[in-house]
Amino acid sequence: EAGVTQFPSHSVIEKGQTVTLRCDPISGHDNLYWYRRVMGKEIKFLLHFVKESKQDESGMPNNRFLAERTGGTYSTLKVQPAELEDSGVYFCASSQAGMGTGELFFGEGSRLTVL
Amino acid sequence: GENVEQHPSTLSVQEGDSAVIKCTYSDSASNYFPWYKQELGKRPQLIIDIRSNVGEKKDQRIAVTLNKTAKHFSLHITETQPEDSAVYFCAASKGNYQLIWGAGTKLIIKP
Repeated sequence: EAGVTQFPSHSVIEKGQTVTLRCDPISGHDNLYWYRRVMGKEIKFLLHFVKESKQDESGMPNNRFLAERTGGTYSTLKVQPAELEDSGVYFCASSQAGMGTGELFFGEGSRLTVL
Repeated sequence: GENVEQHPSTLSVQEGDSAVIKCTYSDSASNYFPWYKQELGKRPQLIIDIRSNVGEKKDQRIAVTLNKTAKHFSLHITETQPEDSAVYFCAASKGNYQLIWGAGTKLIIKP
């Protein structure tokens, strides 16, 4: 069974440009999460989808970040325009059970470097 | 809001020795505490978790202990091996709320 896949694995862009990250969750997992880890710091929650609906987007830093999950399958996270502080590793995870109640299955992450 | 502190940030132990990583949480309503392991260049994976109705859980060489009164929980790895080298993350949540993560511990196993 395929795990959670993320694309791209690494993206280097200049400040002010746009980047779109994609996540394909495990088939059948209704719950999809986006997290971010800045180097050496904790994994920070960004948002949580249940199917195509945003269940909790309290972790989104600002309106430069837009997440979508049309059709309840894959999800995209767009950063526009990117700033230096957006650099980090963006993880996607999916689960069958709801947040905080069971195992999360992570992707390998998308490393974003903003120059 | 909920806060999880994790110590140490880096831990170096001799192969065969034990390693202990500690986390404290702030919200007494937290009731689920997982530990994830991230090997270099790979994805984080759940290695063990504990719920607030038990004080200890063991799975082969790894164990987790929970002290609800003191609001801390620890990961114990015995007889460490080279493949235990990784970054370990603790997390805490209450009910169906989001997981709050620690900053991670880089565990280095010296041959």
